[in-house]
Formats: sequence, structure tokens, C-alpha cells
Amino acid sequence: SQTIHQWPATLVQPVGSPLSLECTVEGTSNPNLYWYRQAAGRGLQLLFYSVGIGQISSEVPQNLSASRPQDRQFILSSKKLLLSDSGFYLCAWSQGRAEAFFGQGTRLTVV
Amino acid sequence: EDQVTQSPEALRLQEGESSSLNCSYTVSGLRGLFWYRQDPGKGPEFLFTLYSAGEEKEKERLKATLTKKESFLHITAPKPEDSATYLCAVPPRGGSEKLVFGKGTKLTVNP
Repeated sequence: SQTIHQWPATLVQPVGSPLSLECTVEGTSNPNLYWYRQAAGRGLQLLFYSVGIGQISSEVPQNLSASRPQDRQFILSSKKLLLSDSGFYLCAWSQGRAEAFFGQGTRLTVV
Repeated sequence: EDQVTQSPEALRLQEGESSSLNCSYTVSGLRGLFWYRQDPGKGPEFLFTLYSAGEEKEKERLKATLTKKESFLHITAPKPEDSATYLCAVPPRGGSEKLVFGKGTKLTVNP
């Protein structure tokens, strides 16, 4: 069966520090991978998606970047965090246009 | 551009009081619809996929239905453990791999 791992679960970082969130998927090949952000009481905002290694589509110009160094690994990064980067970050995977499955999320607080 | 609208934004029920959540969408060609449940601080959990108008899916106290313009999530005799935010999403259109999510309905079931 397929599983998705996302870590860390919580993170507190100072303004101006770098960020690296990692997501890995097991049990499937060549998945579509997604990074979403969810502000408190708000909907899911798509940040990046990837249909293959090295292929990244950015939805929202911002202080973040994404990379897909391996087929089932998706990384969300920032060189310098802003207060506005605080939020709940979710990784997800899907096959083609079927349903997506989500990780448990990372709660990021920038102080 | 595809749009997904969920109503109501919040719903408060007494235990055993049945009700329905609505998900309406404007898409170019029905490609199906996904329902998710999200508990606070967790990633969305996949519930149902509906692909064609008239289709119905059931899981415990939940039943999802689909028409050409909207989907309903019927909750029969809810229990407090059904309290969560319920999200719907439509699959990506051709040439895109982006899921389009509604903002969700926050359901609270009081004992």
C-alpha cells in the first residue's frame, strides 16, 4: 500500500532563517506531488506541484521554492523565512487525475 | 477557470440531527469530484470519489451524491466524532494537474 511521510510535524523558526520541509511517498511510482499551505480557518492554497523529477510548477510567487530530486521525494525550501510564511504546510500525492492523498502536515511558526 | 464553492461555511448540529453539506462547481466538463474530511491539525483524509451524475457512495453515516452541478454530503444521525471540516475538490482539467478545492464546511456535532 502507498504511504506518505512528511516531517517535521511542528517547527518554530526565527525570521530570516532557512527552511527545509521534506515529503516522501512509498509504494507508488511517478506520482504527482503537491505542496499546499493552509492558513488558520482558510482553505488549501496550492503552492507547487510536480509531475516528474525536476519538473516544478509554481502557483504563487513568493518566498518559497520546491524541488524534486528523486521520484518520490518533494522538498519545500526557503532561504530566508518571513513572518507571513507561518502556516500549516501539507504535502500530497496523486496518480494522474485520481484522488490525492495527504501527509499529516507541518505546523510552521515563524517568530 | 474551475471554481468550487462549499456551503454553509459552518454548521452546528445536535447529535442525531441529520443534515447535508453542499459543494457546487463550475467546470468545463464533469470529471468527477472528491470529498475529504479534515480534523484539526491533521492532513485531509480521503472519503469518496464520485465520477458521474447520479452516482452515490456511502461510508458509515455519510453518503455523497453527485449531480451535474453540485454534490451533497448527507450526514445521517451524526455523532460528536463526525465533527470535522469537510472539503470537496474537483480533478484537474486536461493539461493541468491541479486539484481545485473548496474552502470547506466546518461541522460541529454537539452531544
